[in-house]
Amino acid sequence: GIQVEQSPPDLILQEGANSTLRCNFSDSVNNLQWFHQNPWGQLINLFYIPSGTKQNGRLSATTVATERYSLLYISSSQTTDSGVYFCAVEGGNNRLAFGKGNQVVVIP
Amino acid sequence: NAGVTQTPKFQVLKTGQSMTLQCAQDMNHEYMSWYRQDPGMGLRLIHYSVGAGITDQGEVPNGYNVSRSTTEDFPLRLLSAAPSQTSVYFCASSRQYSNYGYTFGSGTRLTVV
Repeated sequence: GIQVEQSPPDLILQEGANSTLRCNFSDSVNNLQWFHQNPWGQLINLFYIPSGTKQNGRLSATTVATERYSLLYISSSQTTDSGVYFCAVEGGNNRLAFGKGNQVVVIP
Repeated sequence: NAGVTQTPKFQVLKTGQSMTLQCAQDMNHEYMSWYRQDPGMGLRLIHYSVGAGITDQGEVPNGYNVSRSTTEDFPLRLLSAAPSQTSVYFCASSRQYSNYGYTFGSGTRLTVV
């Protein structure tokens, strides 16, 4: 199956700072999503982005499918951005494969 | 529109007991799947379904059964619970041709003692 690697595994940010999370994947994909798992365990769908760039408020994401990576940008971070960010990809076989996540802590 | 609904939210089982985790979606999605989340492991696919009457195994299917008799429901059965099945379980659904991707339920936290 497709391998998904996320970096960095852990990140501590001062409130107001910007950050970039990276997702590398081992094969071509039909689907790529970024999720935020909040401290209550809920998985929130941030972006569906198999290619291109999208923005939603302070978050944006870019996927370069030909080079098999995706980036999630967090700008002007807030404490509510804390949690785990997961990248998940699907190669067309209805199997969504997850990376191990980026644990982000934003301190006031 | 409730999305993906999982019940129960919490459950404690004794080793050897059986139980069914319920998952229902009201979005008429063809695809449904079950994942388990363990510390440091991300989410791993247990079983999935591409439509009513069709199921297939994922990455970690042992000890679990599924069936898909309707589009809306996709229950996950633990036949004889083991401590190794202590985990958080998530159900997800998706439309076949979607610009949104998968929607996840709120999870079921299962402890097997």
